[in-house]
Amino acid sequence: EAQVTQNPRYLITVTGKKLTVTCSQNMNHEYMSWYRQDPGLGLRQIYYSMNVEVTDKGDVPEGYKVSRKEKRNFPLILESPSPNQTSLYFCASSPGGESYEQYFGPGTRLTVT
Amino acid sequence: EDKVVQSPLSLVVHEGDTVTLNCSYEVTNFRSLLWYKQEKKAPTFLFMLTSSGIEKKSGRLSSILDKKELFSILNITATQTGDSAVYLCAVDRDDKIIFGKGTRLHILP
Repeated sequence: EAQVTQNPRYLITVTGKKLTVTCSQNMNHEYMSWYRQDPGLGLRQIYYSMNVEVTDKGDVPEGYKVSRKEKRNFPLILESPSPNQTSLYFCASSPGGESYEQYFGPGTRLTVT
Repeated sequence: EDKVVQSPLSLVVHEGDTVTLNCSYEVTNFRSLLWYKQEKKAPTFLFMLTSSGIEKKSGRLSSILDKKELFSILNITATQTGDSAVYLCAVDRDDKIIFGKGTRLHILP
């Protein structure tokens, strides 16, 4: 089944404790992206990647890192999480090129206390 | 600053009604406009529009783009309770995606 998977689905952590949210897709998509969704602010793009070893900042990259060492994986790293990073996070992928029909993962709800 | 504005923010109609959702945008390097439906979980793709005036249709849903006036509409005819969701509009600006805040649609039985 074609899908985007994220882990963990739920995470409660404390300020400053490094964490990684994994994202994997099995559709051989070139484009992958991370978003956060907050009430009243909608979906905002954090980082995106056009292909392996190519990553770029979205609109809200501060406090996040990403890497794209393999085509299928695009982990999101929070080196020192803060409470303002409490949010619902979505990973998405699309074929790239001229097609931005994105397939979204199920979401990761992160709470930083 | 690039922006995508959706209206109305919320809408309540009765089953069987027709609704029109609006999306206007001001972005540099426009490439495409996308519509998504979000129920309780992740957004699911509806349409991608790149050319003005060409209507995309899928069942009771249709959408069209006007690149001169910088807006798109999403129409849903003969609405059903299963159409209740948040509808999201997004614009691709040279690989960076910006979303509107969405229209929350509630269909009353």
